[in-house]
Amino acid sequence: AQSVSQHNHHVILSEAASLELGCNYSYGGTVNLFWYVQYPGQHLQLLLKYFSGDPLVKGIKGFEAEFIKSKFSFNLRKPSVQWSDTAEYFCAVNALGATNKLIFGTGTLLAVQP
Amino acid sequence: DSGVTQTPKHLITATGQRVTLRCSPRSGDLSVYWYQQSLDQGLQFLIQYYNGEERAKGNILERFSAQQFPDLHSELNLSSLELGDSALYFCASSVSRTAVGELFFGEGSRLTVL
Repeated sequence: AQSVSQHNHHVILSEAASLELGCNYSYGGTVNLFWYVQYPGQHLQLLLKYFSGDPLVKGIKGFEAEFIKSKFSFNLRKPSVQWSDTAEYFCAVNALGATNKLIFGTGTLLAVQP
Repeated sequence: DSGVTQTPKHLITATGQRVTLRCSPRSGDLSVYWYQQSLDQGLQFLIQYYNGEERAKGNILERFSAQQFPDLHSELNLSSLELGDSALYFCASSVSRTAVGELFFGEGSRLTVL
């Protein structure tokens, strides 16, 4: 069965530090990949997505993610975080042609200190 | 505002009781998804409905059931509640039959079972 692993459960950074959150999935076929963000007290919202084409995708608020098929990874990056990036980040995978379910990782809680 | 409405926002009840959570999808969206978010399990997919029909099933307990009505709103029924059912229950919607694109999430219903 498909699964999604997020390596970091809690990350604490200072403002202006660079961010990389890991995401690995288990499925050998075609996938659609997503990062969702949940700001404190708010609903989950889409940060960015990869369907096909350029494996480096850019999302909102300066975030980007790189799909590395050989590593089954879709890591999220931001060169310089801000206090307002404090949130929980979820990686999600849809294994096309398999379950057609959107499976989420367990989430990474990011706290950015001013 | 995602356009997905969930009620109630908070619910406190006792073990053994039954509750109903309600979700109204975005206008035009035919698919409704239910997810359970708990501290130890992360975001778990429960069930999906598309245009009134059950489309996909995840880790939904037999004590839980859902349905989607002709006006496309959905209800998640949780019965014989246990302490471990305490969680945040999210509803999401999308226009497509499969979870290949972006899901739009509501703000969740926080259930506390005492």
